[in-house]
Amino acid sequence: EAQVTQNPRYLITVTGKKLTVTCSQNMNHEYMSWYRQDPGLGLRQIYYSMNVEVTDKGDVPEGYKVSRKEKRNFPLILESPSPNQTSLYFCASSFNLYGGKLFFGSGTQLSVL
Amino acid sequence: EDKVVQSPLSLVVHEGDTVTLNCSYEVTNFRSLLWYKQEKKAPTFLFMLTSSGIEKKSGRLSSILDKKELSSILNITATQTGDSAIYLCAVEGRDDKIIFGKGTRLHILP
Repeated sequence: EAQVTQNPRYLITVTGKKLTVTCSQNMNHEYMSWYRQDPGLGLRQIYYSMNVEVTDKGDVPEGYKVSRKEKRNFPLILESPSPNQTSLYFCASSFNLYGGKLFFGSGTQLSVL
Repeated sequence: EDKVVQSPLSLVVHEGDTVTLNCSYEVTNFRSLLWYKQEKKAPTFLFMLTSSGIEKKSGRLSSILDKKELSSILNITATQTGDSAIYLCAVEGRDDKIIFGKGTRLHILP
């Protein structure tokens, strides 16, 4: 089944403890992206990647890192999480950005205490 | 600064009504506009509109792109309770970035 898989679905952590949210797609998509969704603010792009070893900042990259060492995986890393990073996170992928619809993962609800 | 604005933010109607959701955009180097439906968690794709495809229809849902007015509408006829969701508009523009609007929360009363 074609899908984007995120893990974990729910995560509660404490300020400053490094964490990684994994994202994997099995559709051989070129483009992958991370979004956070907050009430009243909608979906905001954190980072995106057009290809392996190519990543670019979105609108809200501060406090986040990503890597794209292989095509299928695009992990999101929070080196030192803070409470303002409490949010619902989505990973998405697309065959190519122009003319390509996004396939979203199921989301990761992160709470930073 | 590029932006996508959806209206209304929230809408409550009765089952069977027709609704129109709006999306306007100011995006450099417009490439495409997409509509998504978000029910419980992950958004799911509805339509993509481009310069070469300005009108799409699927069942009770339809969408039109007005490139002159820099806007799009999403129509849902004969609404059902299963149409209750957040509807997201997204526009792809410069630097290959995708910008989402804040969404319209639609609630259908039985």
